[in-house]
Amino acid sequence: DTAVSQTPKYLVTQMGNDKSIKCEQNLGHDTMYWYKQDSKKFLKIMFSYNNKELIINETVPNRFSPKSPDKAHLNLHINSLELGDSAVYFCASSHGGTPNTEAFFGQGTRLTVV
Amino acid sequence: SQQGEEDPQALSIQEGENATMNCSYKTSINNLQWYRQNSGRGLVHLILIRSNEREKHSGRLRVTLDTSKKSSSLLITASRAADTASYFCATDAGTALIFGKGTTLSVSS
Repeated sequence: DTAVSQTPKYLVTQMGNDKSIKCEQNLGHDTMYWYKQDSKKFLKIMFSYNNKELIINETVPNRFSPKSPDKAHLNLHINSLELGDSAVYFCASSHGGTPNTEAFFGQGTRLTVV
Repeated sequence: SQQGEEDPQALSIQEGENATMNCSYKTSINNLQWYRQNSGRGLVHLILIRSNEREKHSGRLRVTLDTSKKSSSLLITASRAADTASYFCATDAGTALIFGKGTTLSVSS
């Protein structure tokens, strides 16, 4: 059983389009995250959700919006996609509102904007 | 903002040799974690060391933490080809993990 699953694994789309990436965890964790990994492998935290409340929101454009229908899901919506949005996006989850335990990561979604 | 910084950026060794990676961070922490990322895959947790611990072992992994120097090291002993991956240190920023840029380890047989 996959602990943290993301769909799709690959996403190729044109500039200006709107897309969503889904994430589900079956670990019973109460905190979920979205990270962006650029071409140099630098991981940047984008969002963190704890019990359906947004905890942090780094300097991420408003075009990105996380949506959590329940504790097991944290989807990422991206509007008006730009070339610079091309990256690998990782969903993760952990137990507790602060990262004092290990985080479990999904396999990533490689987004390519053309 | 980036918290951790790994050194070296890349490391190439032969099977059986030991690999040492270092991580420096900027602010006080509650804990420091190390993760591994195989090519094209997600990150996998390796080990967590708390701020009041100085050393921790897990199998062939040995992690040290020096809070006075704000640094940590990850030692992989008797490396194997399967250890080829990128290794990241991560520190807690209160609400999420902040990752360094990683060390890319290549182990050749």
